[in-house]
Amino acid sequence: DAGVTQSPTHLIKTRGQHVTLRCSPISGHKSVSWYQQVLGQGPQFIFQYYEKEERGRGNFPDRFSARQFPNYSSELNVNALLLGDSALYLCASLPPGAAGANVLTFGAGSRLTVL
Amino acid sequence: TQLLEQSPQFLSIQEGENLTVYCNSSSVFSSLQWYRQEPGEGPVLLVTVVTGGEVKKLKRLTFQFGDARKDSSLHITAAQPGDTGLYLCAGPHMDSNYQLIWGAGTKLIIKP
Repeated sequence: DAGVTQSPTHLIKTRGQHVTLRCSPISGHKSVSWYQQVLGQGPQFIFQYYEKEERGRGNFPDRFSARQFPNYSSELNVNALLLGDSALYLCASLPPGAAGANVLTFGAGSRLTVL
Repeated sequence: TQLLEQSPQFLSIQEGENLTVYCNSSSVFSSLQWYRQEPGEGPVLLVTVVTGGEVKKLKRLTFQFGDARKDSSLHITAAQPGDTGLYLCAGPHMDSNYQLIWGAGTKLIIKP
């Protein structure tokens, strides 16, 4: 079975541009979470989506937005990129049910560099 | 604010040695998890500890949850080069079981 797939794996943008990152969860998983991991730090929670609805949002500015599609894939959008947005963006897939709340399976991430 | 502090930040030891890394907080967590992350990859869940005082073993790795559920440790016996990686601890946010709070990690290098 395919795991969590993310694209693109690497990308370089300049300040002020916008970026769209994509994630496909494990088949049968209806929930995805997005995390930002700056070099040398642990991941920071950005969003969680379940059944196309936003379930939670971390302490990130409105430049960050996301959505989930009927096939449960998800997009993370970041507008007006800043140098500080350079990071590894991780998508995690969660199995259904309350017991799966903390059973995260991560993709390999999208490495964003903002110049 | 819930925070998880990990120590040491960096550890480099020879193959065959034992080591312990720590994850500490001033807050009580309902559970704590340990992940290992390798370069270019996402974190991979190793274990979840739920009960205060709980000890779990995964081959040469021993995980312990503090009695007060504010801290956890990871002990590796006879470390091998394959144990190299970034070890992260994480726990659920008090207001949202689906949001994890993460430590900054311990970067472990095992030299052959």
